Amino acid sequence: DAGVTQSPTHLIKTRGQQVTLRCSPKSGHDTVSWYQQALGQGPQFIFQYYEEEERQRGNFPDRFSGHQFPNYSSELNVNALLLGDSALYLCASSEDRGRSDTQYFGPGTRLTVL
Amino acid sequence: GESVGLHLPTLSVQEGDNSIINCAYSNSASDYFIWYKQESGKGPQFIIDIRSNMDKRQGQRVTVLLNKTVKHLSLQIAATQPGDSAVYFCAERASWAGATNKLIFGTGTLLAVQP
Repeated sequence: DAGVTQSPTHLIKTRGQQVTLRCSPKSGHDTVSWYQQALGQGPQFIFQYYEEEERQRGNFPDRFSGHQFPNYSSELNVNALLLGDSALYLCASSEDRGRSDTQYFGPGTRLTVL
Repeated sequence: GESVGLHLPTLSVQEGDNSIINCAYSNSASDYFIWYKQESGKGPQFIIDIRSNMDKRQGQRVTVLLNKTVKHLSLQIAATQPGDSAVYFCAERASWAGATNKLIFGTGTLLAVQP
């Protein structure tokens, strides 16, 4: 049973560019959450997708957007990249059952903005 | 130690000793708590969880204690091994209105196991 997978593993972009990160949830999971983890800090919640809709959003600008597909996989898009967007982007999946579910994380995508 | 800038609090223990990692959480309305282990270059790995209606839960070599009065969590690791070396994060689930399953993470503690 595959766990949460993310692609690509690493990515280098320049300021102003756009990036798309991808996530496949753990088998049986229908909810995907995205987090940003800066170096030396804990993950910060970006948003969560369930039933192909954004269910909740953290304190991130509109440059950060996402999508969830019918197979529950998800994409995170970041437009107009800034140097401060350099971070590890983590995807976590869970199974929606009355909000009582553990989130399991993927290995992350390391984004470097030059 | 205390966290300053990018420096994580660090706990250094000898192999075979017991480790205790502490965490203060932020909101008394949080109803679910999780400990994650994160090794260098990897995503957080689930260790153990506890719900707010409990004050103790045990797993294999790990125990989580919850003190809701002072909003404090601890993770105890028995017979610490070199493979336990990692950064440990506590996370609370924001269960108040409109906060559906969002996790709020603490600063993290670096556990360094000396052979």
